Amino acid sequence: TQLLEQSPQFLSIQEGENLTVYCNSSSVFSSLQWYRQEPGEGPVLLVTVVTGGEVKKLKRLTFQFGDARKDSSLHITAAQPGDTGLYLCAGNPALGGNQFYFGTGTSLTVIP
Amino acid sequence: DAGVIQSPRHEVTEMGQEVTLRCKPISGHDYLFWYRQTMMRGLELLIYFNNNVPIDDSGMPEDRFSAKMPNASFSTLKIQPSEPRDSAVYFCASSLGTGVAYEQYFGPGTRLTVT
Repeated sequence: TQLLEQSPQFLSIQEGENLTVYCNSSSVFSSLQWYRQEPGEGPVLLVTVVTGGEVKKLKRLTFQFGDARKDSSLHITAAQPGDTGLYLCAGNPALGGNQFYFGTGTSLTVIP
Repeated sequence: DAGVIQSPRHEVTEMGQEVTLRCKPISGHDYLFWYRQTMMRGLELLIYFNNNVPIDDSGMPEDRFSAKMPNASFSTLKIQPSEPRDSAVYFCASSLGTGVAYEQYFGPGTRLTVT
């Protein structure tokens, strides 16, 4: 059972374009994280959101946690080739436990 | 710090053989996680340890999989016997504490191919 569904699964855009990636679930999460993974490497944490409605910015990346803490989005402004990679969301269920469950992933390719 | 270290980086083995994957967590981290990543199923948590003690192994696929953490600086994931469907990239991650905002540091992964 996949707790977190991400969309789109694949995204190919031109350098300079904007994009949004979505992470959705029917479950409530205590917190949600976004990771980026490059080929041949492990995922690297980008941000953690904890409060419903929270918005965090990391340079050209904007992360939002849904009001009900069931979903999240990642918006990239003026995408660059260096943004290419697999973006993963991961949620810590509100029902307890220490583990994070990872989403299905969005593979982003930014064409120069 | 060297980060999380995994070995080997690549492993090719024949069906039925025993496979052992190794992980050295970041010094001082008290949690260690083993994940498996495939195209079909994404990144799945297999098992995690706290202070060398297994806490949740509900993600371990079946009895062919076993994991140990004999000390704070070493863990193994063993598959015996291996099957082609075990082919995947296996990641080890460690963290300092847990809670709603802890950060996991991932190793580079071991790419396992079972023929």
